[in-house]
Amino acid sequence: GQQLNQSPQSMFIQEGEDVSMNCTSSSIFNTWLWYKQDPGEGPVLLIALYKAGELTSNGRLTAQFGITRKDSFLNISASIPSDVGIYFCAGPNTGNQFYFGTGTSLTVIP
Amino acid sequence: NAGVTQTPKFRILKIGQSMTLQCTQDMNHNYMYWYRQDPGMGLKLIYYSVGAGITDKGEVPNGYNVSRSTTEDFPLRLELAAPSQTSVYFCASSRTWGSSTDTQYFGPGTRLTVL
Repeated sequence: GQQLNQSPQSMFIQEGEDVSMNCTSSSIFNTWLWYKQDPGEGPVLLIALYKAGELTSNGRLTAQFGITRKDSFLNISASIPSDVGIYFCAGPNTGNQFYFGTGTSLTVIP
Repeated sequence: NAGVTQTPKFRILKIGQSMTLQCTQDMNHNYMYWYRQDPGMGLKLIYYSVGAGITDKGEVPNGYNVSRSTTEDFPLRLELAAPSQTSVYFCASSRTWGSSTDTQYFGPGTRLTVL
């Protein structure tokens, strides 16, 4: 079935460093969403992307919708301890089936 | 608004038992979803509903049933619990589907263990 692959699988970074992660798909997506999940909680939407090539920011977060519509990137600048969590890409493909990525676990070392 | 609420928060079942996971949203959203999340994995869609009386299968529907008699409620039923159904279950809702304003709001999850 459909799989959204995220890389890296996990990251350990120093506070203040920038972070980059990406998500790739075997099929075309109409929308790319980036969620953050804290331990014991449901995912919370961070950024939504709706057009190929779109670049959108939300505070220290910036995400891009890949030109091929098969990938997306999330960058976090100047990381802080509360950025810790698991980041998921997600979205509906052209068949309107909704999928979540495999997740990138982020640990920020103070 | 309470958003999306789920009950129970935790449950332990024996193999073969049945139970219903409850989900309620107070945002008047048409679309509701059930996901399961296995340890260290992403979420997988079990079932979704586009409105009262209308449901459809997601990626992993086997072993589950749903109903949608009202806009607010979307219960998920496990008829014969199996160890493979040990997971965290999330309910979500959204106002639209696949449009530029679509955002899924998630409940806090139900942690289910089948022994």
